[in-house]
Amino acid sequence: DVKVTQSSRYLVKRTGEKVFLECVQDMDHENMFWYRQDPGLGLRLIYFSYDVKMKEKGDIPEGYSVSREKKERFSLILESASTNQTSMYLCASSFPQTGWNEQYFGPGTRLTVT
Amino acid sequence: QQQVKQSPQSLIVQKGGISIINCAYENTAFDYFPWYQQFPGKGPALLIAIRPDVSEKKEGRFTISFNKSAKQFSLHIMDSQPGDSATYFCAASIQTGANNLFFGTGTRLTVIP
Repeated sequence: DVKVTQSSRYLVKRTGEKVFLECVQDMDHENMFWYRQDPGLGLRLIYFSYDVKMKEKGDIPEGYSVSREKKERFSLILESASTNQTSMYLCASSFPQTGWNEQYFGPGTRLTVT
Repeated sequence: QQQVKQSPQSLIVQKGGISIINCAYENTAFDYFPWYQQFPGKGPALLIAIRPDVSEKKEGRFTISFNKSAKQFSLHIMDSQPGDSATYFCAASIQTGANNLFFGTGTRLTVIP
């Protein structure tokens, strides 16, 4: 069974803090993704990675960075958290080019920035 | 801009009824159209998917209808059950290159017993 785990289910941080969200997958997937989910806006892609040390910007990368030092781990970094980054953050992983491009999601981290 | 437009935003259906969620897209290069189901407190999970070479795909009570010329696709849930209450996302991608998924804005379905 594919498993994508995220380091925290709930997180409360103060404005200006540096925030790390960790994601680990156990299926040896090459592709990993970070989304944020907001009511009425759906899932928006922040960053994705095809391989170790590789990263690509998604639709809303501003204010975020990522790190992928190992294949199974993909970290999302908020360099200086702001209140408009309060959101649900979802990590996903997938095999490249399996035909059906299924993405497997973690349970999400609900981040509140005060 | 939203690559995939989804409606309605919320839907309330009686148990046993049919739930219908619609999506539309503009990019004719999209060639993979999945639907994801998300229960509260969980991440989305793939429910059913279709490629544009077929007009319909059925898996149990769930059916995707696809209209290539209109650039629309929809999810039909037959005999809707309270356990189907969840948020549903349509998505689209191109199966080569980046193959990122572009998600719709989601539909919150509530099935009333």
